[in-house]
Amino acid sequence: DQQVKQNSPSLSVQEGRISILNCDYTNSMFDYFLWYKKYPAEGPTFLISISSIKDKNEDGRFTVFLNKSAKHLSLHIVPSQPGDSAVYFCAASADAGGTSYGKLTFGQGTILTVHP
Amino acid sequence: KAGVTQTPRYLIKTRGQQVTLSCSPISGHRSVSWYQQTPGQGLQFLFEYFSETQRNKGNFPGRFSGRQFSNSRSEMNVSTLELGDSALYLCASSFPLSDTQYFGPGTRLTVL
Repeated sequence: DQQVKQNSPSLSVQEGRISILNCDYTNSMFDYFLWYKKYPAEGPTFLISISSIKDKNEDGRFTVFLNKSAKHLSLHIVPSQPGDSAVYFCAASADAGGTSYGKLTFGQGTILTVHP
Repeated sequence: KAGVTQTPRYLIKTRGQQVTLSCSPISGHRSVSWYQQTPGQGLQFLFEYFSETQRNKGNFPGRFSGRQFSNSRSEMNVSTLELGDSALYLCASSFPLSDTQYFGPGTRLTVL
């Protein structure tokens, strides 16, 4: 049972345009969501996160939107740069009394390619 | 501040052997989680340690085990290796009461 889904395996965008990466979840207990960027043979790099009490969080070129009723989140990258080309993972955690006890549930990832 | 470090970076073993991987968290982080990444299953949670205690465990067989030391460094052990254990093993650390995890570079394990 895949509780976090990234339905687009890949996305191709022109440099300078907006990249929109999507993620859906099924577990209503998830209350904290994160996006990571990953290059092959490296560990994921934390990009941005959002708590379920918010619907938007911005950090520079990265904005994450959360729609709790639709159980959907998205990552917007504006403007996209060739260096953004990587695999992007969304992840979620469920608070169990103040902590998730270290468990993040990941989507399968979306390969983003930004063309110069 | 130094990031999460993992050793070794690459490892080749044969079926039936056992392996120990090491992880040093970011200074001040006391929670260490381990994940397995494979092409077929993606990133899967193995277990989490906090203050030398395993607090959470994923759906992996008992051949996968771990421990944490008083300085928060952690090791994971896989016994009786199988071909399917070939994967990238990732360690992540976080501050107490924070769900934001920071990952190390991983250990690439190949089982022949």
